[in-house]
Amino acid sequence: GNSVTQMEGPVTLSEEAFLTINCTYTATGYPSLFWYVQYPGEGLQLLLKATKADDKGSNKGFEATYRKETTSFHLEKGSVQVSDSAVYFCALSDRGYQKVTFGTGTKLQVIP
Amino acid sequence: DARVTQTPRHKVTEMGQEVTMRCQPILGHNTVFWYRQTMMQGLELLAYFRNRAPLDDSGMPKDRFSAEMPDATLATLKIQPSEPRDSAVYFCASGLVLAGGETQYFGPGTRLLVL
Repeated sequence: GNSVTQMEGPVTLSEEAFLTINCTYTATGYPSLFWYVQYPGEGLQLLLKATKADDKGSNKGFEATYRKETTSFHLEKGSVQVSDSAVYFCALSDRGYQKVTFGTGTKLQVIP
Repeated sequence: DARVTQTPRHKVTEMGQEVTMRCQPILGHNTVFWYRQTMMQGLELLAYFRNRAPLDDSGMPKDRFSAEMPDATLATLKIQPSEPRDSAVYFCASGLVLAGGETQYFGPGTRLLVL
């Protein structure tokens, strides 16, 4: 079956540091890949997505590239801010929300 | 700005009581999900519906949990009887089936504490 593996947290960075959160997946077929973010006390919200190999999703300075050869979708940001402190979830889904699978989440804490 | 709404936002109850959580999906969305989030287990998919019909409820404890969609604007999740181990945040999410890459839109969650 499908699975998503994320790096363990928490990740603590100083403001303006470079961020990488690793995500690898196993899946049959060609799923879409997602990063969701959850701020304290809120539900998850979509951060970015990619629907096919070599696609790059980007939003709010975050980027992730769908790498089929390494089955990865690592999240990156060049300069984090305190406001980026949250839990980040990597996820995949087949067409029509089939086989929706979330990673365990990675907590990011950015300190001034 | 269309949003998924959930009620109640917080619920404290005693073991053995019935708990009903409600969700209003975004208008026009045809897929509704129920998730449970705990520190120990993370995010678990309990059930999901397409056009109000249950497609998968394999993640839901059948003996005490039930999920329904009485109409397109309301989804419910019931626990009867509730147990302390059911304490968690329950999220509803909705979405629209397209040609792939479908996003889920999450509600703010119901924080349940069973004493």
